Amino acid sequence: DTEVTQTPKHLVMGMTNKKSLKCEQHMGHRAMYWYKQKAKKPPELMFVYSYEKLSINESVPSRFSPECPNSSLLNLHLHALQPEDSALYLCASSQPRDIDNSPLHFGNGTRLTVT
Amino acid sequence: AQKITQTQPGMFVQEKEAVTLDCTYDTSDPSYGLFWYKQPSSGEMIFLIYQGSYDQQNATEGRYSLNFQKARKSANLVISASQLGDSAMYFCAMREGAGFQKLVFGTGTRLLVSP
Repeated sequence: DTEVTQTPKHLVMGMTNKKSLKCEQHMGHRAMYWYKQKAKKPPELMFVYSYEKLSINESVPSRFSPECPNSSLLNLHLHALQPEDSALYLCASSQPRDIDNSPLHFGNGTRLTVT
Repeated sequence: AQKITQTQPGMFVQEKEAVTLDCTYDTSDPSYGLFWYKQPSSGEMIFLIYQGSYDQQNATEGRYSLNFQKARKSANLVISASQLGDSAMYFCAMREGAGFQKLVFGTGTRLLVSP
């Protein structure tokens, strides 16, 4: 079983809805990530939090709003999405690189469909 | 410029045979890390193996080994004794630079293991 838990597994939402994706890890990691993966494509980095602070935002549209309430939790708030935002959203965690070179551990992802 | 290149969109191998998945990378940073991940059709990203740029020996993890040729900037994954469960998408990824874990993925290779 994965040690990074993402909920929900599937989400269908309309373009006017507001929803949130949730991610939780209990590995003591201090860096957490959101990746977006379109079908048949590699994951693309969206956001990185390190020590609960946003450290990287890869020019993601403001309709995606990340939040890191504590070192174990990472949320992605969604509002006014477009159909092209339909994708697999992957959460990951790791130690920040200034601690060691540990790999990223990924959750199972949330399959989002925007109608 | 492409940081990580995987030139094989698809590979076929028979059960119990070995297979090599190619990965080349491009960086001017002396310190970097190379990772291989497996993604089954279920969507989860499973960490397989890691090679640091300063590691003297090729990494091995069970049936997985990494053929690291630093001068050629290649980090090929070798899977020995293939199993049907190895059928999946395989991504090579690189992290470079100090500070944070910005992990960049290649386009992936789909491996199909036949009986």
